Amino acid sequence: DTGVSQNPRHKITKRGQNVTFRCDPISEHNRLYWYRQTLGQGPEFLTYFQNEAQLEKSRLLSDRFSAERPKGSFSTLEIQRTEQGDSAMYLCASSLGQGTTEAFFGQGTRLTVV
Amino acid sequence: GENVEQHPSTLSVQEGDSAVIKCTYSDSASNYFPWYKQELGKRPQLIIDIRSNVGEKKDQRIAVTLNKTAKHFSLHITETQPEDSAVYFCAASRLRTGTASKLTFGTGTRLQVTL
Repeated sequence: DTGVSQNPRHKITKRGQNVTFRCDPISEHNRLYWYRQTLGQGPEFLTYFQNEAQLEKSRLLSDRFSAERPKGSFSTLEIQRTEQGDSAMYLCASSLGQGTTEAFFGQGTRLTVV
Repeated sequence: GENVEQHPSTLSVQEGDSAVIKCTYSDSASNYFPWYKQELGKRPQLIIDIRSNVGEKKDQRIAVTLNKTAKHFSLHITETQPEDSAVYFCAASRLRTGTASKLTFGTGTRLQVTL
């Protein structure tokens, strides 16, 4: 599968623990996005990168959330001191840029905080 | 910021009938409007998109219309089939040259095509 890859697919964690998710975008895609989707809702924007630069962060991204894309390839999203309200599907998407618009989504990481 | 409203939240049609989903947006600077289909447990997938310099776009059984003045856009699916059953999301974005653009999504429409 040469699409956007996310790991793990599922994560169950206890409240207060830290979790980290990984996203591998489509090769050569320089733009990478993180979204969060809760049941019955559309994806909500969290942050995006152009190459290794993090260009925008949503107000949804509290100081417990941090994202990195150190070499402009894969990205990680870390949530510290998880809360039950963090339970959601975390989606990663990538796009080629250079005038193209289509964002390709990964299958997501479903986080459950118990 | 941008706000996208989507209606209806659920839609049930008989196979062969047409389905229409409507969205409105608030940011007059938005210029790109994609539609995504998400089947249960799967990733959202782009099915059609439209830019603000056109009023209508069609791809086989799927069409999208855009009314910039009223700030609304619609998805039309004709001759619906059971495999069209899924959740459909509209989205809006302000494309800018040389930089990425976030998508603001609607809340989704669950389409069920019955036999």
